[in-house]
Amino acid sequence: DSGVTQTPKHLITATGQRVTLRCSPRSGDLSVYWYQQSLDQGLQFLIQYYNGEERAKGNILERFSAQQFPDLHSELNLSSLELGDSALYFCASSLGSPNTGELFFGEGSRLTVL
Amino acid sequence: GESVGLHLPTLSVQEGDNSIINCAYSNSASDYFIWYKQESGKGPQFIIDIRSNMDKRQGQRVTVLLNKTVKHLSLQIAATQPGDSAVYFCAECDYKLSFGAGTTVTVRA
Repeated sequence: DSGVTQTPKHLITATGQRVTLRCSPRSGDLSVYWYQQSLDQGLQFLIQYYNGEERAKGNILERFSAQQFPDLHSELNLSSLELGDSALYFCASSLGSPNTGELFFGEGSRLTVL
Repeated sequence: GESVGLHLPTLSVQEGDNSIINCAYSNSASDYFIWYKQESGKGPQFIIDIRSNMDKRQGQRVTVLLNKTVKHLSLQIAATQPGDSAVYFCAECDYKLSFGAGTTVTVRA
């Protein structure tokens, strides 16, 4: 158990809909990261937050947004969903910057868009 | 754009043999490298890391080698076990952690 909690574990929805994925980081970790893993793809970095502020941005679509709340949990919002958004979405957390130590990953939220 | 990649998408290894998984990276600004293991249905799990001021680091049954001259990273697993079957990702870090596509390791009994 990494200590990172993601909900929901599975989600099935239709094209055009909007979903919210939630992540609770490990106790004490200030950084939260979101990654997308599509079938046969590696992990694509979406966005990072540190102590409530956006720290780094990757290949995140404009239809996607995220935030980190004062209690350090994070939410990833996916809107106007398309079939191609079907993927595993991972949240990870770390104490500080990604180059200062290990990222701990949750078990992912599997999104299926029909 | 810059990317992290792996040389082979799959690797089949006899139980008890040593495994070598290779990775090429292209971002010269990366100063921290990590290997992750992802088992089916789970999130990636940290195996070992190395900083750019080192060329070798050893852990328990694993060794990471870094060759900055040719931008090459490798993971060696000694005495491979069935539990080592997984997808292995190398990752590089400048200000963000970027992952390669992964190598699927299958251990034959």
